Amino acid sequence: EVQLAETGGGLIQPGGSLRLSCAASGLTVSSNYMSWVRQAPGKGLEWVSIIYSGGSTYYPESVKGRFTISRDNSKNTLYLHMNSLRAEDTAVYYCARAVVITGMDYFDCWGQGTLVTVSS
Amino acid sequence: DIQMTQSPSSLSASVGDTVTITCRASQSINTYLNWYQQKPGKAPKLLIYGASSLQSGVPSRFRGSGSGTDFTLTITSLQLEDFATYYCQQSHIARTFGQGTKVEI
Repeated sequence: EVQLAETGGGLIQPGGSLRLSCAASGLTVSSNYMSWVRQAPGKGLEWVSIIYSGGSTYYPESVKGRFTISRDNSKNTLYLHMNSLRAEDTAVYYCARAVVITGMDYFDCWGQGTLVTVSS
Repeated sequence: DIQMTQSPSSLSASVGDTVTITCRASQSINTYLNWYQQKPGKAPKLLIYGASSLQSGVPSRFRGSGSGTDFTLTITSLQLEDFATYYCQQSHIARTFGQGTKVEI
């Protein structure tokens, strides 16, 4: 059974940095496309980043230059490094696996999420 | 960026009803469209991928259709456990979610 478990959320001041972790079991992080998706309180879902099995990474403009997705193959863990945090980054952050089929992908497995609150 | 617009934002329905949710992309996305269900306090759950393919384990009362820019999610014979928020998501260029449709009793 595939399981994803996020940790690392908490309260952080504006301008601060935080690293989220997503420990995987039942799948190999380095062999999959892995992503982060966030959800601000009471709002919809927003895609935040993705790392391909080959190592390429992609971000939306809203976080590009501030967030970095990475992985540790030896720990089978996905990370999201967040810098220059803003109040609008406050959200539950989910990690998810993206299954790729003929050029399209979809998120089939999700963690339970970790809450990041950016506030002074 | 590709924008995804869902309608309606919310709807009221009863058990046994058939409901239809629409998702429109700001440009053609072929059939690179997925649907998710989310219940309060829970992670999203994949229902439909590739516009019309049913994810394993998802009841057949969920049906997706469409291509290009216009897509629909239809739920027939609505069950109590189907009251939730539904999101569409494109994967043609980057990834973008719709704003969600809340299905209420």
